[in-house]
Amino acid sequence: DAGVIQSPRHEVTEMGQEVTLRCKPISGHDYLFWYRQTMMRGLELLIYFNNNVPIDDSGMPEDRFSAKMPNASFSTLKIQPSEPRDSAVYFCATVTGNEQFFGPGTRLTVL
Amino acid sequence: RKEVEQDPGPFNVPEGATVAFNCTYSNSASQSFFWYRQDCRKEPKLLMSVYSSGNEDGRFTAQLNRASQYISLLIRDSKLSDSATYLCVVGNNDMRFGAGTRLTVKP
Repeated sequence: DAGVIQSPRHEVTEMGQEVTLRCKPISGHDYLFWYRQTMMRGLELLIYFNNNVPIDDSGMPEDRFSAKMPNASFSTLKIQPSEPRDSAVYFCATVTGNEQFFGPGTRLTVL
Repeated sequence: RKEVEQDPGPFNVPEGATVAFNCTYSNSASQSFFWYRQDCRKEPKLLMSVYSSGNEDGRFTAQLNRASQYISLLIRDSKLSDSATYLCVVGNNDMRFGAGTRLTVKP
């Protein structure tokens, strides 16, 4: 298995633009998490899904952020409109047993 | 108050030293506890789970104190390759990370 796949790996955009981050989880893992990591705030849980259903989105910073999981093999995190303070590394992770497996992350820079 | 708190460090220690990290959590109903390691510009990776009775994996020992709501990680005989950021994770189905403790092991 290729592990958790995220795309793009790097994204540079201008303030006000829409940004879509993508995640392909490991097959058979029924939990999927989206995290955001910054130097100031560390690794923050944004939202997680169980069997494609959003369970807890209390970490989503505001209405500009939305996440979907239309099927077991794909999830998206969308920011519309993006702002410079959204610049961070966004990780997707899935769980089997007790272990979380992280994707390589998307490094987002909003100018 | 943050749900999971760690001393950010940095901890700078010589090779061979013993170093310990603590992490406190606020949700007394938490059932799952882990330590993750994150190298610079990489994703976090599981170092070890933390069990109620404490557990050891080579030079690494993890302990859980439910009464005081903290977990600890002890690294003995530290190596240069142990230099990384160590993240504690606490939760149930949700997984909440501490901000991480940076460790640098020097020759």
